[in-house]
Amino acid sequence: EVHLVESGGGLVQPGRSLTLSCEVSGFTFHDSAMHWVRQPPGKGLEWVSGISWNTSIVDYADSVKGRFTIARDNAKNSLFLQMHSLRSEDTALYYCVMYSTLYHVFDMWGQGTMVTVSS
Amino acid sequence: SYELTQPPSVSVSLGQMARITCSGEALPKKYASWYQQRPGQFPILLIYKDTERPSGIPERFSGSSSGTIATLTISGAQAEDEADYYCLSADSSGLWVFGGGTKLTVL
Repeated sequence: EVHLVESGGGLVQPGRSLTLSCEVSGFTFHDSAMHWVRQPPGKGLEWVSGISWNTSIVDYADSVKGRFTIARDNAKNSLFLQMHSLRSEDTALYYCVMYSTLYHVFDMWGQGTMVTVSS
Repeated sequence: SYELTQPPSVSVSLGQMARITCSGEALPKKYASWYQQRPGQFPILLIYKDTERPSGIPERFSGSSSGTIATLTISGAQAEDEADYYCLSADSSGLWVFGGGTKLTVL
């Protein structure tokens, strides 16, 4: 069974940094592209960032480019999101998402970790 | 920046057909996918590549696409279909974009 478990969320002041982690099990992590998607409270989904299986391709939404860095450790089946210069508008539930090579779209989702940016 | 436009809300009577649209300039060249999100839960993939349904998704969910509009159709809406629905596609650069979401109410 596939499991994606996010961690690292919490309350952080504007301008500070935070790193999210996602531990994956139940599928061949090293073969899969991975993404982060966020959802502000009561609002819609927003794609944040994605990374290819071998880290050769990374992409970011304009809203986080230059502030967030996505990374992965295939040996540890883990995905990361380093977030710097956090803003109030970054407040959201952050989902770790697996890109399916079968469906060519986001398939498996974690339960999410909440990030609240507030003074 | 690229946008996918969905109606904020759609209502349907129990057992009737519901259609949710997603409008985007790149849709003639990019596939659309659809997700269902119930309150407090993560999204579930309903439709991929405009019309394909993953295993385990009920047949009453179907997708279509014509020109700049992709459509999710629910044939015979059930009470448990009351949820938020999101379309997903990519812009011309290949970056992913979600629609704003549609709240489906089953009356």
